[in-house]
Amino acid sequence: GESVGLHLPTLSVQEGDNSIINCAYSNSASDYFIWYKQESGKGPQFIIDIRSNMDKRQGQRVTVLLNKTVKHLSLQIAATQPGDSAVYFCAGPPRSTTGGFKTIFGAGTRLFVKA
Amino acid sequence: EADIYQTPRYLVIGTGKKITLECSQTMGHDKMYWYQQDPGMELHLIHYSYGVNSTEKGDLSSESTVSRIRTEHFPLTLESARPSHTSQYLCASSEATREGHGYTFGSGTRLTVV
Repeated sequence: GESVGLHLPTLSVQEGDNSIINCAYSNSASDYFIWYKQESGKGPQFIIDIRSNMDKRQGQRVTVLLNKTVKHLSLQIAATQPGDSAVYFCAGPPRSTTGGFKTIFGAGTRLFVKA
Repeated sequence: EADIYQTPRYLVIGTGKKITLECSQTMGHDKMYWYQQDPGMELHLIHYSYGVNSTEKGDLSSESTVSRIRTEHFPLTLESARPSHTSQYLCASSEATREGHGYTFGSGTRLTVV
């Protein structure tokens, strides 16, 4: 079946360094991906998205890279700050089911930022 | 500033009690969702709605029920709470034309059944 998953459950980086969080997917028909950030005690928040006709998209301090050949995407955070400490989720495109569809969320990677 | 509200924020309740978790959004979104999330784990969809009077069960089997009588309101009810229901419950909404984009999540209800 379809799956979206992250490679590492935790990632620890030094403040000021760049962070790279990885995600893999299994459905080659996937055409849209989203990264969410979930801080402790809060619901996930949208960070950035990317469509399959792109291989890179940049936001404010964040970049998402998509490699359709190996079905892999990554979230890069530049100059990581303590406020970036959170769990990061990649989410796949809608999965069709009878009567509707829904988004798949992978397991998260917890990012720790060391001062 | 939150546009989707969940109450209560925390709830500790005894086994066998009936509870309703509230979720309201002010964005006029047609689609609303309930996810269950254990600490440090992924989100599991338990219910979703594409509009008034439309509800469907999600991936994860759940003993809860939902209703969608008004666009802005999507409550989740457990008729008889059990310790296995202890978890965080997240409500979300999205625009009908942009599935997967712009999911707005509430802050969640952390439920403990003792």
